[in-house]
Amino acid sequence: GQQVMQIPQYQHVQEGEDFTTYCNSSTTLSNIQWYKQRPGGHPVFLIQLVKSGEVKKQKRLTFQFGEAKKNSSLHITATQTTDVGTYFCAGRYPGSARQLTFGSGTQLTVLP
Amino acid sequence: DAGVIQSPRHEVTEMGQEVTLRCKPISGHNSLFWYRQTMMRGLELLIYFNNNVPIDDSGMPEDRFSAKMPNASFSTLKIQPSEPRDSAVYFCASSLRKDNEQFFGPGTRLTVL
Repeated sequence: GQQVMQIPQYQHVQEGEDFTTYCNSSTTLSNIQWYKQRPGGHPVFLIQLVKSGEVKKQKRLTFQFGEAKKNSSLHITATQTTDVGTYFCAGRYPGSARQLTFGSGTQLTVLP
Repeated sequence: DAGVIQSPRHEVTEMGQEVTLRCKPISGHNSLFWYRQTMMRGLELLIYFNNNVPIDDSGMPEDRFSAKMPNASFSTLKIQPSEPRDSAVYFCASSLRKDNEQFFGPGTRLTVL
């Protein structure tokens, strides 16, 4: 079935180090969204990528959508303690009545 | 805007009891989604409504779960009878249109003893 795989499941970094999480789908996506969930909180929308090869930046966050629209990544430069949380990708498949298929998330811990 | 409102925030009940979770979407949003989040299964879409009509309920675990949206400003998710494996955080989300970004409510943490 349609599934979005996300790795790694957990990542511990020292404050100031970079962080990357990856999402992969076996079939082409229409678009992909990214969400962040702080501990004890709810998912909050970060961005949506639609075009093949698209790259978007939000301050220290860089989002990429693969050329084949089957994979995506989120890269955080110089992590800060405020970046702590779980990052989810969520893909939408063309022609599917289903809405977003969420990846399993990457839980980021930033050590001060 | 108050955002998506969910109630109750926490619910503790005993196995076999009926549980009703409530959601008020953001005013003007046409799509409403119910999710369940657990450590084991992650974030799962249970059902979504578009213009108050259920479009996809394939994620509803079994007949014990039911959801309604009687009007554009209110939805309920009911579990009857509840079981311990239903313990999870249930999120409601809404979006302006079904393909737009989703705004999540604070969630209801359900514990079934």
